[in-house]
Amino acid sequence: GNSVTQMEGPVTLSEEAFLTINCTYTATGYPSLFWYVQYPGEGLQLLLKATKADDKGSNKGFEATYRKETTSFHLEKGSVQVSDSAVYFCALSSTGNQFYFGTGTSLTVIP
Amino acid sequence: GAVVSQHPSWVICKSGTSVKIECRSLDFQATTMFWYRQFPKQSLMLMATSNEGSKATYEQGVEKDKFLINHASLTLSTLTVTSAHPEDSSFYICSARDTAVRTEAFFGQGTRLTVV
Repeated sequence: GNSVTQMEGPVTLSEEAFLTINCTYTATGYPSLFWYVQYPGEGLQLLLKATKADDKGSNKGFEATYRKETTSFHLEKGSVQVSDSAVYFCALSSTGNQFYFGTGTSLTVIP
Repeated sequence: GAVVSQHPSWVICKSGTSVKIECRSLDFQATTMFWYRQFPKQSLMLMATSNEGSKATYEQGVEKDKFLINHASLTLSTLTVTSAHPEDSSFYICSARDTAVRTEAFFGQGTRLTVV
């Protein structure tokens, strides 16, 4: 079956620190992989995605590479800002099917 | 980008009453919409898949008579929580899949339901 395992939080970093949030997956077939971000009191927003192996998704300084050999899609950012404080969800979806989410990782960036 | 509008964003209701939550795709057609529930500090759990013009498909453990889903048009799905109880208090989020972009779904803002 399909599942996503995500690094547990919470994560607290100082501004300008390097961020990595680990995500691994189990899937049948060749799913698309996503990172969603949820700011306090809001719904989910797509942060980035990758639809096939070796693709790199990037947005707002965040990056993640679809690694089929390690079944991973780790999220990285070189220099975090206070405004990046949010909950981050890794997810997968096969075409025409539902989304499977990780448990979410709460990130707090302190000045 | 595509927009999914969910309404209301928050609601407080009395125990025993029913609450309707709307999910609209504003600039695309969505033959399929999904309803998720999120408990505090947990991930989103799929409740049901809503298909336009047909009955919803519910996940195991979700009471279909309690969580009524209607998907009457290509741009609107509704979730009605009937005879709500405090344990139904949660964050409900819908998503809609653009039929033209099959690998991506767009999420509403979510509805915070509090049953008192």
